[in-house]
Amino acid sequence: AQSVTQPDIHITVSEGASLELRCNYSYGATPYLFWYVQSPGQGLQLLLKYFSGDTLVQGIKGFEAEFKRSQSSFNLRKPSVHWSDAAEYFCAVGNTDKLIFGTGTRLQVFP
Amino acid sequence: DVKVTQSSRYLVKRTGEKVFLECVQDMDHENMFWYRQDPGLGLRLIYFSYDVKMKEKGDIPEGYSVSREKKERFSLILESASTNQTSMYLCASSFYGVAGPGTYGELFFGEGSRLTVL
Repeated sequence: AQSVTQPDIHITVSEGASLELRCNYSYGATPYLFWYVQSPGQGLQLLLKYFSGDTLVQGIKGFEAEFKRSQSSFNLRKPSVHWSDAAEYFCAVGNTDKLIFGTGTRLQVFP
Repeated sequence: DVKVTQSSRYLVKRTGEKVFLECVQDMDHENMFWYRQDPGLGLRLIYFSYDVKMKEKGDIPEGYSVSREKKERFSLILESASTNQTSMYLCASSFYGVAGPGTYGELFFGEGSRLTVL
């Protein structure tokens, strides 16, 4: 069955620390992979996407993600977190079928 | 910039009322979607449409219907609202994916409509 797993429900980091949010997927075909961010009370905004090619993709706000086919993972990273990055982050996978979203990881940033 | 506009940010309705949630996009996208977002459950697809007057059921269509009379507008209808439909509702749109009609590209989301049913 197709699925997306975000194992961390809630992550807390200090401002300036590095960040990695995990995403694992199960998908039969070649996946398209996405990371979205949702600030409180807002809709979702696309951070980055992977369709093909270079497995390390750069996104907005200094985020990047690496597609690892052998591990069925698409983890999101940022070298130095800012207080404004506090939000909920969703991984999603799809291709010719509907997008499947993970349950989200809530990021809290301490000053 | 793509803009997806949901007409109501906050609604409070009573059990049994008919509820309309409206969504308009301004980028001529073929696909439009309605999701429901609940804590711990992520986003669940209610209905989607890949063309005018076309609709497809998502994962949780029960208790909902949709209407797409014009390309830019996609409405979600709760015929008789119930308390278990209290939730955040997100509308999204996209162009077709690379495989054409019925497939999906990057989604653009509205800001959401938070519905409370008393």
